[in-house]
Amino acid sequence: EAGVAQSPRYKIIEKRQSVAFWCNPISGHATLYWYQQILGQGPKLLIQFQNNGVVDDSQLPKDRFSAERLKGVDSTLKIQPAKLEDSAVYLCASSLRGDSRAFFGQGTRLTVV
Amino acid sequence: QKEVEQNSGPLSVPEGAIASLNCTYSDRGSQSFFWYRQYSGKSPELIMFIYSNGDKEDGRFTAQLNKASQYVSLLIRDSQPSDSATYLCALRGGGATNKLIFGTGTLLAVQP
Repeated sequence: EAGVAQSPRYKIIEKRQSVAFWCNPISGHATLYWYQQILGQGPKLLIQFQNNGVVDDSQLPKDRFSAERLKGVDSTLKIQPAKLEDSAVYLCASSLRGDSRAFFGQGTRLTVV
Repeated sequence: QKEVEQNSGPLSVPEGAIASLNCTYSDRGSQSFFWYRQYSGKSPELIMFIYSNGDKEDGRFTAQLNKASQYVSLLIRDSQPSDSATYLCALRGGGATNKLIFGTGTLLAVQP
C-alpha cells in the first residue's frame, strides 16, 4: 500500500513570494491533515479535512495561508506572501476516518530567505 | 495551559535500561492517544496507540493511559541506541472535530 505522498521535498523562496505544496493521501483515507513543524517544536495542526470539507482550521493564518481538497482526495496548501517565520517543515497526514490512526508523508522543508 | 504537555528533555538512559516518557493533557473529552517517534530530519512515525485506561504492550513498547489523572506514558524496555529520537505524544480532542493535536516532544538519548 502506497503511503502519503508529498511534493516538493524542499523549497527555497524569497520573502513575499508565493509557494504551494501538494499532498496525496493513502488511498481510501477520508481525513487529511496539514501540519507545520518548526525546528525543535511539535507539529502544529493548520487544517483538517474530512473528505472535501474543513473540520478545523482554527490555527491556519488565513490572511496568507489557504488550502483546498476539491475532490476529497489530494490537497494543496498555499502560502502567499511568505514570511521569514514560515520557514518550517510542512507535513501532510491522512487517516481512514476522523477517529483513526494517522500516517505522515515525508514532508516539505520550506526555507524563506 | 497547553493542550498536550511533554518534558522536552533530553532524557538520557543507558543501553538496556527502561525509558519512561510522560505526557499530560488538559481536555477530559479526549478519547484516543498516540505515540509517534521522529528521527532527526524525518517525519513522525506511529509506534503506539491506546484508547482505554490501562496498559497496552507491543514488543518492547508499553503505553499506559490514566484518564482520571489525564496522563499517558510510553515505556521502552531494553532501550537501544536506535531508539534515540524525539517521541511525540498526540491525542484526538473531544468534541465533533476529533482534531489530532501534538505535544512538543521529548528527546530520548540512549547511551551505548
